Amino acid sequence: NAGVTQTPKFQVLKTGQSMTLQCAQDMNHNSMYWYRQDPGMGLRLIYYSASEGTTDKGEVPNGYNVSRLNKREFSLRLESAAPSQTSVYFCASRPQGARETQYFGPGTRLLVL
Amino acid sequence: GQSLEQPSEVTAVEGAIVQINCTYQTSGFYGLSWYQQHDGGAPTFLSYNALDGLEETGRFSSFLSRSDSYGYLLLQELQMKDSASYFCAVRDAGNFNKFYFGSGTKLNVKP
Repeated sequence: NAGVTQTPKFQVLKTGQSMTLQCAQDMNHNSMYWYRQDPGMGLRLIYYSASEGTTDKGEVPNGYNVSRLNKREFSLRLESAAPSQTSVYFCASRPQGARETQYFGPGTRLLVL
Repeated sequence: GQSLEQPSEVTAVEGAIVQINCTYQTSGFYGLSWYQQHDGGAPTFLSYNALDGLEETGRFSSFLSRSDSYGYLLLQELQMKDSASYFCAVRDAGNFNKFYFGSGTKLNVKP
């Protein structure tokens, strides 16, 4: 049971490049989330998916798109990266019924030059 | 919207007790959660208060007062491994899938 996995662990992009961050969970959880974490700002919700086939915007969705490919996988895409998107990105999942407990992946550290 | 305020940093000595506060302004929420994050690591869930009062989990306790818009995390018998950042979080009552986190408190435990 690997929990929540994320790839890649580190990435350097140039401004304007695109990339997709991958997230997968093997705990059969319904809800999945993408957060970004910047120094001194805590975690901010980018997008979430309450169940397979649904996605919704969070607090800071601009510049991002997501896909809930199936129950296991939830990807985050940056179409045209900007330096302001330099951050640590965390994916999380939450089982139905365990209302507050989110399980986080190890994070992807992204630097946009 | 939701706004959660925490002190940025707290320092305490090994074996002591420390309290990390969280004050909030919300338009409605289900309860207050706490997460721990070590440097370079992922956040991990610690505790949750749905109702007012104290919840105890081993050396950690968490408290919520909705009337005061205030909560805290209490860590007893501090150990060096407790050095980490601690975040409070709420789940939006208007959209139960949306979570909001405080900016975090970095706890430094000294020998």
